[in-house]
Amino acid sequence: LAKTTQPISMDSYEGQEVNITCSHNNIATNDYITWYQQFPSQGPRFIIQGYKTKVTNEVASLFIPADRKSSTLSLPRVSLSDTAVYYCLVGGPSGGSYIPTFGRGTSLIVHP
Amino acid sequence: NAGVTQTPKFQVLKTGQSMTLQCAQDMNHEYMSWYRQDPGMGLRLIHYSVGAGITDQGEVPNGYNVSRSTTEDFPLRLLSAAPSQTSVYFCASSRGSGTALEKLFFGSGTQLSVL
Repeated sequence: LAKTTQPISMDSYEGQEVNITCSHNNIATNDYITWYQQFPSQGPRFIIQGYKTKVTNEVASLFIPADRKSSTLSLPRVSLSDTAVYYCLVGGPSGGSYIPTFGRGTSLIVHP
Repeated sequence: NAGVTQTPKFQVLKTGQSMTLQCAQDMNHEYMSWYRQDPGMGLRLIHYSVGAGITDQGEVPNGYNVSRSTTEDFPLRLLSAAPSQTSVYFCASSRGSGTALEKLFFGSGTQLSVL
């Protein structure tokens, strides 16, 4: 399984764009990159998934460079409600079952 | 659809007691799993199942048992509770057989305290 490295914590202010980078140097050819968001006292929630280049949905954008050794989750114009822990997962279809592995994630605090 | 439902939301046990955490999903998902989350830690996989009748161990399986007799239900049993099992437990499911391509849906968690 590809190991991921994320910053432990980040601070931002309302209205700013937040970029959280995840390093995954040993990502495999078939691996996808998935981000989850977890609010206090709730289970994680899927945000976005991508394989290469850029993916955008109504919540966030995911930027993946050509070498795919890192990825950046971009949250545009954050609000207080974006305060949460963000997890980067890397993995893909394999011969056996895939075990989604969550690291410690990045704790994002958005200040007024 | 209710999604993934976990019961109970809170539970206090004494050391040595046994109990079952319930998890049910109504999305006809093949893959179900149990995680535990401790303060300041990420989620660690306890057990998972890729379909009815099939279960396997995750990263931290000791002290826990699971079974999958139906597609909908995936109970987690603590055989003899220990203080080290004090944690928040999350059940998750996904459509496929647990590949990274499948979005995981989580329950709201069970907060367990073992005294």
